Amino acid sequence: KAGVTQTPRYLIKTRGQQVTLSCSPISGHRSVSWYQQTPGQGLQFLFEYFSETQRNKGNFPGRFSGRQFSNSRSEMNVSTLELGDSALYLCASSHLRQGRTGELFFGEGSRLTVL
Amino acid sequence: KQEVTQIPAALSVPEGENLVLNCSFTDSAIYNLQWFRQDPGKGLTSLLLIQSSQREQTSGRLNASLDKSSGRSTLYIAASQPGDSATYLCAVSSQAGTALIFGKGTTLSVSS
Repeated sequence: KAGVTQTPRYLIKTRGQQVTLSCSPISGHRSVSWYQQTPGQGLQFLFEYFSETQRNKGNFPGRFSGRQFSNSRSEMNVSTLELGDSALYLCASSHLRQGRTGELFFGEGSRLTVL
Repeated sequence: KQEVTQIPAALSVPEGENLVLNCSFTDSAIYNLQWFRQDPGKGLTSLLLIQSSQREQTSGRLNASLDKSSGRSTLYIAASQPGDSATYLCAVSSQAGTALIFGKGTTLSVSS
């Protein structure tokens, strides 16, 4: 069974540009969540999607957005990039069952460098 | 606001030692607690998931315990091996979703 796939793995952008990251969850998983990891702040929750609906959102500015498609694949977008957006962006999928929080499975991440 | 703390930040042990990693959280109203492993430059690998109604979970040489009332969890690693060298992260879910709140991790180094 394939794991969580994230593309691209590495990318370099300049300040002011925008970036789109993609995540394909494990087959059958309908929940996808995104996290930002930096050396200073550690892992921070960005947002979570379930059946194409955003269920939860972390404390990030509106420049960070996401969406989920009918096949559960998800994308996140960061507009007007800032130097501080340089980070490892991790996607996780989960097979949520009603009333229970499922185990999270993470991808390898997309490492974004903003120059 | 939920906060998760992991102590120590780094740990070095010789191969074969049994060791304990600690995780504490400030709000005992959690849905579950999950332990992860992260190798340098890689994503996270789930090790153990403990639901709020459980006290412990075991997988191979790993045993994780949960004490909600005191806001603590421990990850016990038996007979450590060099391949166990990694950063171990503890995370709690405080609502019925997947928004995990992570600690900063404990970086473990096991020497042969």
